Amino acid sequence: AQTVTQSQPEMSVQEAETVTLSCTYDTSESDYYLFWYKQPPSRQMILVIRQEAYKQQNATENRFSVNFQKAAKSFSLKISDSQLGDAAMYFCAYRDPPGGGADGLTFGKGTHLIIQP
Amino acid sequence: EAGVTQSPTHLIKTRGQQATLRCSPISGHTSVYWYQQALGLGLQFLLWYDEGEERNRGNFPPRFSGRQFPNYSSELNVNALELEDSALYLCASSLKRGGFYLYNEQFFGPGTRLTVL
Repeated sequence: AQTVTQSQPEMSVQEAETVTLSCTYDTSESDYYLFWYKQPPSRQMILVIRQEAYKQQNATENRFSVNFQKAAKSFSLKISDSQLGDAAMYFCAYRDPPGGGADGLTFGKGTHLIIQP
Repeated sequence: EAGVTQSPTHLIKTRGQQATLRCSPISGHTSVYWYQQALGLGLQFLLWYDEGEERNRGNFPPRFSGRQFPNYSSELNVNALELEDSALYLCASSLKRGGFYLYNEQFFGPGTRLTVL
């Protein structure tokens, strides 16, 4: 079964600084999808960024970027110029390609990101 | 465009009762997923419905069941409630185009908080 590990239960960063959240996963598949979701106190899960495993280029969405290391099965999220609104739980998630596995997302335990003003 | 909606927002039941949770996907989305987010257990995949049929389920007992209606909305039923069923239940939907799930991305609703006393 696929597993997703987030080794940092909590991270703290100063506003305007850069922070990197770690995620590793385990899979025997060669094609799959990886996501970072943000869950603010409102509990609404919001997609931050996605990465298709067959794409070598790291995904970027404005201040958010990933470092995808397929061989190492690592998928870290970098948040640049941190803002107070970035404070939330961040979940790394994995999904098998269509037709494989459970087709639900497998989530890590999450990292609580605190932004210090 | 309206997002995924869930009702009720909060639900309080006693042990042994049945709970019914509802979800309406984004218009045009045919797939609905259910997740349980319990304290200390993280987000766990419960069920996946697509075009009216149950496609897969996670590692949950049969008292967790549901269905998907012709308009693609979905219901999650939890029978014989136990104290450990207390959790936030999240529903998500996916868009399928040409037989493929677009980016395999799932859009989440705000959740239903189920409390079992």
